[in-house]
Amino acid sequence: DGGITQSPKYLFRKEGQNVTLSCEQNLNHDAMYWYRQDPGQGLRLIYYSQIVNDFQKGDIAEGYSVSREKKESFPLTVTSAQKNPTAFYLCASSMDGSYNSPLHFGNGTRLTVT
Amino acid sequence: AQKITQTQPGMFVQEKEAVTLDCTYDTSDQSYGLFWYKQPSSGEMIFLIYQGSYDEQNATEGRYSLNFQKARKSANLVISASQLGDSAMYFCAMREGLNRDDKIIFGKGTRLHILP
Repeated sequence: DGGITQSPKYLFRKEGQNVTLSCEQNLNHDAMYWYRQDPGQGLRLIYYSQIVNDFQKGDIAEGYSVSREKKESFPLTVTSAQKNPTAFYLCASSMDGSYNSPLHFGNGTRLTVT
Repeated sequence: AQKITQTQPGMFVQEKEAVTLDCTYDTSDQSYGLFWYKQPSSGEMIFLIYQGSYDEQNATEGRYSLNFQKARKSANLVISASQLGDSAMYFCAMREGLNRDDKIIFGKGTRLHILP
């Protein structure tokens, strides 16, 4: 079945450590996105990529980095520079950037930093 | 100014009743898409329904329908015959056709509680 896989589901890290969240899709979608969600809140865009080897900052990119070396993969690194990294992280993809193209989401990774 | 406004932070509805979740949007584009997503307590975001700005008929998907009033810039989600499993957070989102930075804008969400 086609879909988006995020791993792991839960991730625990010590403060000061970088951590990488995995996102893989087999939908053959061009565009991929990373969102952050805090408890009881909506989604905030971190980074997005419309094509391989290219990506743009979203609304809250500080303290995060991404790469898009393959169409299927869009890993997110949460660096030690991110002041409040504990959150729920959602990866999404869409066929392209057209306005009628819905986002399809993975199941999310819940990151806890202590 | 917010581009997507969901004015109901929370709603309580009796099982089997119909429920309407409000969403208003703001755009100057002629081409845009409107989406609704459901987020259960497990966290995944489930795509429910899509309405394009040029669609003359309201979108429907099973028990979900979208009450699209273009002049009022309103895109309310209607769930008919609500079920306990409909209890979740619901997000309205918009994608603008001329938006070169390809951002999808989400509202803050409405938490729906279905009462037995």
